Amino acid sequence: DADVTQTPRNRITKTGKRIMLECSQTKGHDRMYWYRQDPGLGLRLIYYSFDVKDINKGEISDGYSVSRQAQAKFSLSLESAIPNQTALYFCATSDPENTEAFFGQGTRLTVV
Amino acid sequence: QKEVEQNSGPLSVPEGAIASLNCTYSDRGSQSFFWYRQYSGKSPELIMFIYSNGDKEDGRFTAQLNKASQYVSLLIRDSQPSDSATYLCAVIPSSASKIIFGSGTRLSIRP
Repeated sequence: DADVTQTPRNRITKTGKRIMLECSQTKGHDRMYWYRQDPGLGLRLIYYSFDVKDINKGEISDGYSVSRQAQAKFSLSLESAIPNQTALYFCATSDPENTEAFFGQGTRLTVV
Repeated sequence: QKEVEQNSGPLSVPEGAIASLNCTYSDRGSQSFFWYRQYSGKSPELIMFIYSNGDKEDGRFTAQLNKASQYVSLLIRDSQPSDSATYLCAVIPSSASKIIFGSGTRLSIRP
């Protein structure tokens, strides 16, 4: 089983719809992240969380919200999806010493 | 100024040669530095982690960190076609423990 699991893996949704991307991890780490990847732009940080009570905005949080339901679960929501949110989304978790980030398989989201 | 900068490439290197990838960062107090490899449509996977000035070697890979000049590089010796991928530089800035990525350098190894 993967250390970090994202669901769904692929999703096509319509403009204006609400959608939630889910992430769960079995590493037992407190730190979790949501990144977005667009061609040529690398990974851009949307939100990050250091524990269930600590949630922080990243560089591109507008239009997104998150929920840290438990140490192992960190969900990303698009309240009203728009086409420029079409991208590949990655969830990650890192160890307390920040020596490595473990990534999920990614969710490819298309907003039409 | 971006926090982490990389040349987007593509960088084309003949098989068996040394590939050199570079990254600069803006926060002088940054503590930890990473190189990730990412194949198209796949998750990034860690290649190297470095936090001290100097070189760190792991097999065919060598990471070099120069905090005074604020750059970190990755050398790949004896390049193989399987090394063709996008290489992402990542940094943990002094302000927080979030991990910031560069835009990546696309590397192509030609036979």
